[in-house]
Amino acid sequence: DTEVTQTPKHLVMGMTNKKSLKCEQHMGHRAMYWYKQKAKKPPELMFVYSYEKLSINESVPSRFSPECPNSSLLNLHLHALQPEDSALYLCASSPYGGARTGELFFGEGSRLTVL
Amino acid sequence: GDSVTQMEGPVTLSEEACLTINCTYTATGYPSLFWYVQYPGEGLQLLLKATKADDKGSNKGFEATYRKETTSFHLEKGSVQVSDSAVYFCALSRDDKIIFGKGTRLHILP
Repeated sequence: DTEVTQTPKHLVMGMTNKKSLKCEQHMGHRAMYWYKQKAKKPPELMFVYSYEKLSINESVPSRFSPECPNSSLLNLHLHALQPEDSALYLCASSPYGGARTGELFFGEGSRLTVL
Repeated sequence: GDSVTQMEGPVTLSEEACLTINCTYTATGYPSLFWYVQYPGEGLQLLLKATKADDKGSNKGFEATYRKETTSFHLEKGSVQVSDSAVYFCALSRDDKIIFGKGTRLHILP
């Protein structure tokens, strides 16, 4: 069982909707990540939070808005998405405040479909 | 920039066959290297890692050795099982980022 919990597992939304993806971990990790994965492709990094501060934004469009309310929670707010944003969104955490050890712990993902 | 190249798939093998999935990297300095596995419908799991040259990572019968001279980190297993069917990603870490290869899909036939 994964110790990174993502909700919802599936989400269908229209292009005018506002929704949020949620991620939670209770392993005391201080870095959390959002990745986007299209079918048969590797995960692409979107955002990194390190000690609850946004440390990396990989030039992600503003229709994706991350939020880290505390060290255990990570949200991804979605607004005015496009059909090409349909993908599996993976949350991950890392114990060392960075990815230097590469030990990312992934959730099972939220599969998003934009109509 | 840093990058990871791994063999194209899918790779189809019979149960108990030997497996090698090739991975090479391009990086400045000395990154840490990893293999992640993604089973159908799941997120990624760290399979093994190596943090310096000549280190060998191993887990669940899989092995990979960090070869600085050939910039490689090939994944090997002596006898695969049907349950090993998954997508395998080679990756390297650079500062706060993990850079993944494109992934290799493995099918094991009973």
